[in-house]
Amino acid sequence: AQSVSQHNHHVILSEAASLELGCNYSYGGTVNLFWYVQYPGQHLQLLLKYFSGDPLVKGIKGFEAEFIKSKFSFNLRKPSVQWSDTAEYFCAVNARGGYQKVTFGTGTKLQVIP
Amino acid sequence: ETGVTQSPTHLIKTRGQQVTLRCSSQSGHNTVSWYQQALGQGPQFIFQYYREEENGRGNFPPRFSGLQFPNYSSELNVNALELDDSALYLCASREREKSYEQYFGPGTRLTVT
Repeated sequence: AQSVSQHNHHVILSEAASLELGCNYSYGGTVNLFWYVQYPGQHLQLLLKYFSGDPLVKGIKGFEAEFIKSKFSFNLRKPSVQWSDTAEYFCAVNARGGYQKVTFGTGTKLQVIP
Repeated sequence: ETGVTQSPTHLIKTRGQQVTLRCSSQSGHNTVSWYQQALGQGPQFIFQYYREEENGRGNFPPRFSGLQFPNYSSELNVNALELDDSALYLCASREREKSYEQYFGPGTRLTVT
């Protein structure tokens, strides 16, 4: 069975600080990896995804993530956060093949202070 | 292009009652998945429908059931509601043959009292 672990439950940063949110997954086979964001009062939106190829993927709003297969990790980064990045961030994985259910982590709440 | 829509937005039910939630998938998307997001948690996979058949299920009891219609819209039914069923229920759709990427609806907030 696949699982996802997000290490930081609540992160508080000042504007312009750099962000890195940790995500590790557990699954022995080939996976697709996602980061979703949920802004206050809004629905889940896809930030970025990794299916194959270059392990460094760029998403919307200046976010990027790096897939490190040997570490089963897919950490999210942003060099300089803005107040508008205040949201909850979810890492998710689905296994290739089968019915491809998506397993989410428990989420990280990011609060950016102006 | 219309995104994923869900109805109703909010719902309050009493323990023991039954509820039906609805989802209209994004145009052209033939696969619909349902998730339960309890407060402070990530979404948990309930089940997935493809071509009107359930083809994957998470760790949820049989009182959670669903349907998918020929136009790919879907329903989630929950019988014998329990207090722990209070959550945000999310629907997501994708075109199975083309992409792994799912598009989420805004969710239905269910409160069981």
